Amino acid sequence: NAGVTQTPKFQVLKTGQSMTLQCAQDMNHEYMSWYRQDPGMGLRLIHYSVGAGITDQGEVPNGYNVSRSTTEDFPLRLLSAAPSQTSVYFCASRSDASNTGELFFGEGSRLTVL
Amino acid sequence: AQTVTQSQPEMSVQEAETVTLSCTYDTSESDYYLFWYKQPPSRQMILVIRQEAYKQQNATENRFSVNFQKAAKSFSLKISDSQLGDAAMYFCAYRSHWGDFNKFYFGSGTKLNVKP
Repeated sequence: NAGVTQTPKFQVLKTGQSMTLQCAQDMNHEYMSWYRQDPGMGLRLIHYSVGAGITDQGEVPNGYNVSRSTTEDFPLRLLSAAPSQTSVYFCASRSDASNTGELFFGEGSRLTVL
Repeated sequence: AQTVTQSQPEMSVQEAETVTLSCTYDTSESDYYLFWYKQPPSRQMILVIRQEAYKQQNATENRFSVNFQKAAKSFSLKISDSQLGDAAMYFCAYRSHWGDFNKFYFGSGTKLNVKP
């Protein structure tokens, strides 16, 4: 009963390095999304996808890239990490079949950029 | 973009007592969904309760209930018989039904401490 799986759970980067946060879900959800959580600011939407091959920007997309080649996977790429990207990142999916469409979250990934 | 406001950064409650967490939101829409999520120290986000705006009846899930005031754009969470395991960050969230329904908007969170 995996749900939404994120890797890695912790990562330390140096400024300018690149990395990819992985997200996979086994619930056959069409909708997937990435949020970042910062103290005092709640969760803010970075990018989302409503199906394979379809992505769109959220509230804070700058500095992040996404792609959706399969229903299951939705990786988040940081091409050139900056200290401002130090945060906790959450992947979340949603079922379109659900009336209310609540989000199901992964366990989060804590990223530190030095 | 919708705005969700949680004006209480931190609250404390005695075990077995009742506590109410506040949430207000700003929207011009009539159909939408509201959620409360719990984030314990494990960091996992867990859905506590949800409310459809077209339903006048307040949602209830065991010890958790909401006071949904649509005209006032208020959505408070009441936790009865508080338990030590209720200690967590609580986030209020909004999602449109017809408009930009692919985006969820979260408040800044309220940290709940439960005293034994």
